[in-house]
Amino acid sequence: QVQLVESGGGVVQPGRSLRLSCAASGFTFSTYGMHWVRQAQGLEWVAIIRSDGSNINYADSVKGRFTISRDNSKNTLYLEMNSLRVEDTAVYYCARDLGKGRWLDYWGQGTLVTVSS
Amino acid sequence: DIQMTQSPSSVSASAGDRVTITCRASQGIGRWLAWYQQKPGKAPKLLIYAASSLQSGVPSRFSGSGSGTDFTLTISSLQPEDFATYYCQQANSFPRLTFGGGTKVEIK
Repeated sequence: QVQLVESGGGVVQPGRSLRLSCAASGFTFSTYGMHWVRQAQGLEWVAIIRSDGSNINYADSVKGRFTISRDNSKNTLYLEMNSLRVEDTAVYYCARDLGKGRWLDYWGQGTLVTVSS
Repeated sequence: DIQMTQSPSSVSASAGDRVTITCRASQGIGRWLAWYQQKPGKAPKLLIYAASSLQSGVPSRFSGSGSGTDFTLTISSLQPEDFATYYCQQANSFPRLTFGGGTKVEIK
């Protein structure tokens, strides 16, 4: 069965960095696009990376600070978060793309990132 | 940016009731709309995509309709496991996806 397991969350001071990981299993990871979505109150889409890593897009709120990447040999998705702000505090989910980058059909359980001094 | 507005923000209903949730887009999005269900402490679950396509494994009591700016999620006969928060999501401005604010379905 499809499984997505996030890790790497924690408490970090404003301006610092954190890297999240998402370990995938139960499907052919290298053939699916992947997303990061976060939830403070409601849901906010963060970033998408296509199956081969060739095409990447970000929400304006994180562009220039966050970097999405993937290692298809390790079935793992990453989110490098730099210059963190208090408003980045949220549960971060990785999610599989159903197809064409528009729908998210499987989600991980989430990892909590708290940005606080 | 396309804004998604859900109504009501919460609804109280009993098991067996028919429940309808509305999502309105700030501009036309064709049929590029999905619905998700989220239970407390859990990840969202895809129910409906492309406005009316039922995701595999989702019970047929869930249905979606609409196009353009106005969309509806209907639960034909509410079951105990359906008490949750429901979110709409637009995909017209792909790859930048946006979600509605959520509708909480509570036990009456």
